Amino acid sequence: KAGVTQTPRYLIKTRGQQVTLSCSPISGHRSVSWYQQTPGQGLQFLFEYFSETQRNKGNFPGRFSGRQFSNSRSEMNVSTLELGDSALYLCASSRRPTDSTDTQYFGPGTRLTVL
Amino acid sequence: QKEVEQNSGPLSVPEGAIASLNCTYSDRGSQSFFWYRQYSGKSPELIMFIYSNGDKEDGRFTAQLNKASQYVSLLIRDSQPSDSATYLCAVNNGGGFKTIFGAGTRLFVKA
Repeated sequence: KAGVTQTPRYLIKTRGQQVTLSCSPISGHRSVSWYQQTPGQGLQFLFEYFSETQRNKGNFPGRFSGRQFSNSRSEMNVSTLELGDSALYLCASSRRPTDSTDTQYFGPGTRLTVL
Repeated sequence: QKEVEQNSGPLSVPEGAIASLNCTYSDRGSQSFFWYRQYSGKSPELIMFIYSNGDKEDGRFTAQLNKASQYVSLLIRDSQPSDSATYLCAVNNGGGFKTIFGAGTRLFVKA
């Protein structure tokens, strides 16, 4: 069974630009969560989608947004990029929502660098 | 107080020794507890999960949960250099519909 895939793997953008990242969950998984990982802050929860609905959102500004499609694929968008947005963005999928006892499986991540 | 706390390390142990990694959490309503391993430059991979008080063993790994003390730990027996990584503790708080990760503990196993 194929794992979680994320595209692109690497991105370089400049301040003020916007970016869209994509995540394809494991087949049969309907929950997709997004995380930002930086050396200083660790793994920070961005949001979770289940059946095309956002179930929860972390403490990030409105510049960070996401959506989920009917095939469970998810995208996240960051507008008006800032230098501090440079991070590894990880997507994780699970069969059921993360308030269940289901475990999450992570994708390889997208490394975003903002210059 | 952070929701999930781990000692950042680094924790250094000799090959063959037992490595003990600890994690405390603040939400008493937390229901599910996970340990992930993350190698440098890679994404986290699940090692173990535990839901009930007590110990759970899987090969060289043992997870221990004490909900009264809000404490979860991971023991790695017969540590190998390949175990050198950052270990992330994650706690699912159920009603909050999200999983909170600790900052991770870096483990070095010396050959």
